[in-house]
Amino acid sequence: AQSVAQPEDQVNVAEGNPLTVKCTYSVSGNPYLFWYVQYPNRGLQFLLKYITGDNLVKGSYGFEAEFNKSQTSFHLKKPSALVSDSALYFCAVRDESPTSGTYKYIFGTGTRLKVLA
Amino acid sequence: DAGITQSPRHKVTETGTPVTLRCHQTENHRYMYWYRQDPGHGLRLIHYSYGVKDTDKGEVSDGYSVSRSKTEDFLLTLESATSSQTSVYFCAALGDGNYGYTFGSGTRLTVV
Repeated sequence: AQSVAQPEDQVNVAEGNPLTVKCTYSVSGNPYLFWYVQYPNRGLQFLLKYITGDNLVKGSYGFEAEFNKSQTSFHLKKPSALVSDSALYFCAVRDESPTSGTYKYIFGTGTRLKVLA
Repeated sequence: DAGITQSPRHKVTETGTPVTLRCHQTENHRYMYWYRQDPGHGLRLIHYSYGVKDTDKGEVSDGYSVSRSKTEDFLLTLESATSSQTSVYFCAALGDGNYGYTFGSGTRLTVV
């Protein structure tokens, strides 16, 4: 079965510094990978996805993610963090049922990003 | 969160009572999902639907049932609520050819 792991419960970074939120995956076949962000008392919002092609994917709010097949990683990055980036971040992988061909997403446990002024 | 509406937004209920949460979408998406969010567990899939009357179980389906009688509505029922079902419940939808979920704003359920 497909799975993703987010090894850090919380990441602290100073405003203006680069940030990285880590995600590793375990899939059979080609991975479909996603990042979502959740602000307090809100639903999750789509940030970016990797389906195929360029290993560096650009998304919303200046975020990008690097797909690394050899390390089975899909880390989220931003060159210069903002206090407003403080939120809960989720990595996800698409899982396709081999019997029904239906789709569902499997989420990691989430990483809380805290950007300090 | 445009296009996905969850109701109610908050609910407190007593142990042993049945509870139904509603998810309504206006985008005509084929797939709809119910997740629960708990600290330390992230989002865990309860049930999902891939069409009217077509549903399947997720990883934490025990104690929950779902129904989808029309494309726009996906109902989640807790047959007899327990304190372990206190959680925040999120509905999501996915259209064919669209690789990203759209989420609702969530329902905070407290079972006392």
